[in-house]
Amino acid sequence: QISLKESGPTLMKSTQTLTLTCTLSGLSLSASGVGVGWIRQPPGKALEWLAFIYWDDDQRYSPSLKSRLTITRDTSLNQVVLTLTNMDPVDTATYYCALRSGSYSGLDSWGQGTPVTVSS
Amino acid sequence: SFELTQPPSVSVSPGQTATITCSGDNLGDKYVCWYQQKPGQSPILVIHQDSRRPSEIPARFSGSNSGNTATLTISGTQAWDEADYYCQVWDSSLVVFGGGTKLSVL
Repeated sequence: QISLKESGPTLMKSTQTLTLTCTLSGLSLSASGVGVGWIRQPPGKALEWLAFIYWDDDQRYSPSLKSRLTITRDTSLNQVVLTLTNMDPVDTATYYCALRSGSYSGLDSWGQGTPVTVSS
Repeated sequence: SFELTQPPSVSVSPGQTATITCSGDNLGDKYVCWYQQKPGQSPILVIHQDSRRPSEIPARFSGSNSGNTATLTISGTQAWDEADYYCQVWDSSLVVFGGGTKLSVL
């Protein structure tokens, strides 16, 4: 059974760097067609895509946040790590990781999400 | 960058058909996915590749995509279908979400 779990800090201060880890179980990050992305959702607002990493290590970023984001993977641990620099209160949100397994053309598995609050 | 536009809200009576639209330039040239998100829960994929349903999604959910508009249709809408619905496309390997539509079953 495929599952994803996010981990990381819940409280941050302005200017700090956020590091979140997504641990994938039940499927290898290196399997052809597999990709993992990060999406966030501020309280009461819409989903916002942040970054995506593909099975071949191709990395893609939201144009609006590209300068602050880095996505990497550790295939030995089957983990994907997202860093977001220079945190601000507007970055307060629930952060989700989601999987494109290749079975479907969408994000077919999502983690439970991890809330991050940024104070000034 | 590519943009997707959804109506903020749609209302439907129980048992009736709900229609949620998603618009974008030449959207019919792309594959559209739809996600359902209930309060306090993670999104789930309900439609991919415009009209295909994951095996666990009821047949009441269907989708179409042509021209500049994709449509999610929920037939025989039930109270538990009340949720936020988001459309999504892949644009040059980037992920684009619509702004979401709140479906109210009244």
